[in-house]
Amino acid sequence: KNQVEQSPQSLIILEGKNCTLQCNYTVSPFSNLRWYKQDTGRGPVSLTIMTFSENTKSNGRYTATLDADTKQSSLHITASQLSDSASYICVVSDVTIKAAGNKLTFGGGTRVLVKP
Amino acid sequence: KAGVTQTPRYLIKTRGQQVTLSCSPISGHRSVSWYQQTPGQGLQFLFEYFSETQRNKGNFPGRFSGRQFSNSRSEMNVSTLELGDSALYLCASRGQGRYEQYFGPGTRLTVT
Repeated sequence: KNQVEQSPQSLIILEGKNCTLQCNYTVSPFSNLRWYKQDTGRGPVSLTIMTFSENTKSNGRYTATLDADTKQSSLHITASQLSDSASYICVVSDVTIKAAGNKLTFGGGTRVLVKP
Repeated sequence: KAGVTQTPRYLIKTRGQQVTLSCSPISGHRSVSWYQQTPGQGLQFLFEYFSETQRNKGNFPGRFSGRQFSNSRSEMNVSTLELGDSALYLCASRGQGRYEQYFGPGTRLTVT
């Protein structure tokens, strides 16, 4: 069964500090891995999308890494800001874009709280 | 470009009733997917539509159904509502040949 596990479930960090979120998956065949940021009561917003051949991708202060061999990904937040307080969701797709459908497996998310 | 819009944003229904939610994708996007999000189960895939055809379906009972119109707008219907159907329902649209999905703000459904 395809699964995506995220850790930690939640974390509190001080404004200006860095943090790293983890995502382990057992999705096969692997197509791509995405990180989303979701503010409370809103829809998720895409941060990065990585395919098999990509090891790292950045979006401002967010940097995602992917190790397809160990099936692990991380999301690093640099110099956190209060606006980074949100849930971060790791999502893995097991079909290619050309195939029928769009099969995604979602992680449970990591809730980040940035304190001043 | 306008983003994905969902209506209504909030809804309160009674057990046993039915409900229809609406989603308008980003202009030019022909793929629309629906998701249910609850605190206990997280995000779960309901179904995906492309060019008015259901292309993929998650593991939800038949009470959950959807459709897509020729202008790519999509509706989701839940019949015989149960308390457990209380959730945030999200739709997302995607451009052809693209991985990127754009989510709407969601419809918060409360079943009492």
